Amino acid sequence: DTAVSQTPKYLVTQMGNDKSIKCEQNLGHDTMYWYKQDSKKFLKIMFSYNNKELIINETVPNRFSPKSPDKAHLNLHINSLELGDSAVYFCASSQERSPLHFGNGTRLTVT
Amino acid sequence: EDQVTQSPEALRLQEGESSSLNCSYTVSGLRGLFWYRQDPGKGPEFLFTLYSAGEEKEKERLKATLTKKESFLHITAPKPEDSATYLCAVKANAGKSTFGDGTTLTVKP
Repeated sequence: DTAVSQTPKYLVTQMGNDKSIKCEQNLGHDTMYWYKQDSKKFLKIMFSYNNKELIINETVPNRFSPKSPDKAHLNLHINSLELGDSAVYFCASSQERSPLHFGNGTRLTVT
Repeated sequence: EDQVTQSPEALRLQEGESSSLNCSYTVSGLRGLFWYRQDPGKGPEFLFTLYSAGEEKEKERLKATLTKKESFLHITAPKPEDSATYLCAVKANAGKSTFGDGTTLTVKP
């Protein structure tokens, strides 16, 4: 099936640990994104890559580092996790003026 | 800075009771206004794209309209399966999509 898939779906970890979330899309889109959704359902953009090049980098702590090995993959690495990082992280892709196609999210819980 | 405000925050309807959701926006260079539906535990799912004032799109019980300042999502004779969070987003010239806080719709049988 054509889709945006991200792993893992759930991630429970302790403060101070480092973790990664992986995302892949097979829609042939040039642009991929990471969004953070807080407990109030607000979706906020974190990063955007176009054809492996970083084009949007919102005010996000340096502990968050995206990596795009090719235009079909966008991973998110988080260092020194904090309680406030707990949220649902969504990967998405799109093409020009087309809508965003989202993965089903990774629920990160930091204890 | 681009801004999107959705109202109401929550809406409870009886099955068959039609209503509308509002999305007010300010954006520099609108490249598209998008409506999404999000079910619990899932990612947002695309519903409609509107590009210019006066444009309308329909799909089953949903109809989206657009003016220069706001968009409405009209729900006609809703069913319980329409219960979800509805998100509005604008895409600006910079290519970034800005989302509203969403409206959580509950339709009671």
